[in-house]
Amino acid sequence: DAKTTQPTSMDCAEGRAANLPCNHSTISGNEYVYWYRQIHSQGPQYIIHGLKNNETNEMASLIITEDRKSSTLILPHATLRDTAVYYCIVRGGNAGNMLTFGGGTRLMVKP
Amino acid sequence: EAGVAQSPRYKIIEKRQSVAFWCNPISGHATLYWYQQILGQGPKLLIQFQNNGVVDDSQLPKDRFSAERLKGVDSTLKIQPAKLEDSAVYLCASSLDRFYEQYFGPGTRLTVT
Repeated sequence: DAKTTQPTSMDCAEGRAANLPCNHSTISGNEYVYWYRQIHSQGPQYIIHGLKNNETNEMASLIITEDRKSSTLILPHATLRDTAVYYCIVRGGNAGNMLTFGGGTRLMVKP
Repeated sequence: EAGVAQSPRYKIIEKRQSVAFWCNPISGHATLYWYQQILGQGPKLLIQFQNNGVVDDSQLPKDRFSAERLKGVDSTLKIQPAKLEDSAVYLCASSLDRFYEQYFGPGTRLTVT
């Protein structure tokens, strides 16, 4: 199974862009990169996913490198409500449809 | 659209007692998941249903945990008897089908004393 590596924690100033990196160097060609986040005392929330092209939705942008070995989740204007644990997950293809959560990145947005 | 509903939100029991959790997925979602999240860790999948059939229960401790999905809609997860190490948040999630994004409920926080 493709594994992911994320920094344990990051800080970001309110109103600035938050860039959360993820390494997935063993990803296979048919596996997707998914991002979820978990705000304290809530269930995980789907953010975005992608295969090889960059993706954008109302919550965030996902930038995947050309070799697909790493990606970056971008929150363009972070707010205090974006403080959460962010999980990068490889899913689909050889990884199956399961979500295998690692430790994630704890993002703290500060005023 | 209503989200995934779970009850109860909190439960405290003594070890060796039994407990049950209930989940109502988003209407029309064929796939239902139960996860266990121990404090400080990411969620871990326990069991996956596709309609009313089990797709994967390889991580479910079957000597004490059981789950069913009645008529392919609601689901219950039971622990009998509970151990101290079962203290965790139990999350239910559903998706339209197996490879679609999963939507999670708020979870049930279980404390075993």
